[in-house]
Amino acid sequence: DGGITQSPKYLFRKEGQNVTLSCEQNLNHDAMYWYRQDPGQGLRLIYYSQIVNDFQKGDIAEGYSVSREKKESFPLTVTSAQKNPTAFYLCASSMFPASSDTQYFGPGTRLTVL
Amino acid sequence: DAKTTQPPSMDCAEGRAANLPCNHSTISGNEYVYWYRQIHSQGPQYIIHGLKNNETNEMASLIITEDRKSSTLILPHATLRDTAVYYCIVRVGGQGAQKLVFGQGTRLTINP
Repeated sequence: DGGITQSPKYLFRKEGQNVTLSCEQNLNHDAMYWYRQDPGQGLRLIYYSQIVNDFQKGDIAEGYSVSREKKESFPLTVTSAQKNPTAFYLCASSMFPASSDTQYFGPGTRLTVL
Repeated sequence: DAKTTQPPSMDCAEGRAANLPCNHSTISGNEYVYWYRQIHSQGPQYIIHGLKNNETNEMASLIITEDRKSSTLILPHATLRDTAVYYCIVRVGGQGAQKLVFGQGTRLTINP
């Protein structure tokens, strides 16, 4: 099956620890994105990448880092500098460049920092 | 900021058509209308999108008014599994990676 996978579904960490969220896609998409969703709120863009070895900050990049060493993978690290890391994290991907650049989402990872 | 307006909630009986409206009066000529839905604790699911013409796929139909200032998503035979928050989004297509701006959406409840 083609799609986007995120692991794990639930993640618990102690305050002050860095944690890395996985995102893998087999859709052959060039662009990948990380969003954060807080309860009752919309999605906010953290980082995005249009091609391998390149990525751009989104609206709320502080306290996060990413890498894009492979086309199919775009891991997100939540660092101890992120003040409110507890949230639902969503990864998405799309074709780029393309006239049809619909973003498709993974199932999400719910991170809880204790 | 979201450029669309949707009713906060709607109810629909199972088996009936669910019609979800969206106003986007400031839409530009090169902006598409996209619909996504999000079932609780899951990632958003793409449903359909369109520019000017009405569109239909295996999930839904999208009706866009001639002036493009509003649209309606139609789920022809709603089931309990269609209960979700539905988001209407306008964005320029084919312009490369850009964020999706989700508003508050419409919470659709399908009743047995």
